[in-house]
Amino acid sequence: GQNIDQPTEMTATEGAIVQINCTYQTSGFNGLFWYQQHAGEAPTFLSYNVLDGLEEKGRFSSFLSRSKGYSYLLLKELQMKDSASYLCAVRDRPNTGGFKTIFGAGTRLFVKA
Amino acid sequence: GAGVSQSPSNKVTEKGKDVELRCDPISGHTALYWYRQSLGQGLEFLIYFQGNSAPDKSGLPSDRFSAERTGGSVSTLTIQRTQQEDSAVYLCASSLAGGVYEQYFGPGTRLTVT
Repeated sequence: GQNIDQPTEMTATEGAIVQINCTYQTSGFNGLFWYQQHAGEAPTFLSYNVLDGLEEKGRFSSFLSRSKGYSYLLLKELQMKDSASYLCAVRDRPNTGGFKTIFGAGTRLFVKA
Repeated sequence: GAGVSQSPSNKVTEKGKDVELRCDPISGHTALYWYRQSLGQGLEFLIYFQGNSAPDKSGLPSDRFSAERTGGSVSTLTIQRTQQEDSAVYLCASSLAGGVYEQYFGPGTRLTVT
């Protein structure tokens, strides 16, 4: 089956670093995405990993280990505006063809002063 | 257009009525996705189009749900005989192709079934 797990909530302090973990199980892994979603808004793309390793983009980095079915999103120099939900999503290629993107339930991050 | 647009932005309907939700993807995006999101929950995949065809309809919750896409552009999601559990935000996204490209989301349609 397909399953994505990530913590429900996290709290961190402004200026700090926070790591949001995601574990997944899928039969036809074809890439992992992280999206940010502010309350009442649509998700916006943050990062994409398909090979093992770390992808860095400014204050945000994303890591993938395909053998462990594991990814994390690292946010540095936290700002109040980073308070949002962070969605881990796996692109799966089922036997039926095409692609299916499976989203985790999201991790709500609260950044406090 | 500049981004993915959806209409209506809000829809309140009575239980048992049919509703039609519309999605206008970004011009040139061949892949189109429908999701729904209940309050405080993650995104639930409904259906994916590559061009006008839907390789994967397995996410549709029941046979009351259907979707079509014509001309490789606009898509409509139809819910027949709506039920209260259908209340959610319905999000549409598009991407350049069905491969590795990120998805761009529309603002969503908030559906409330009374």
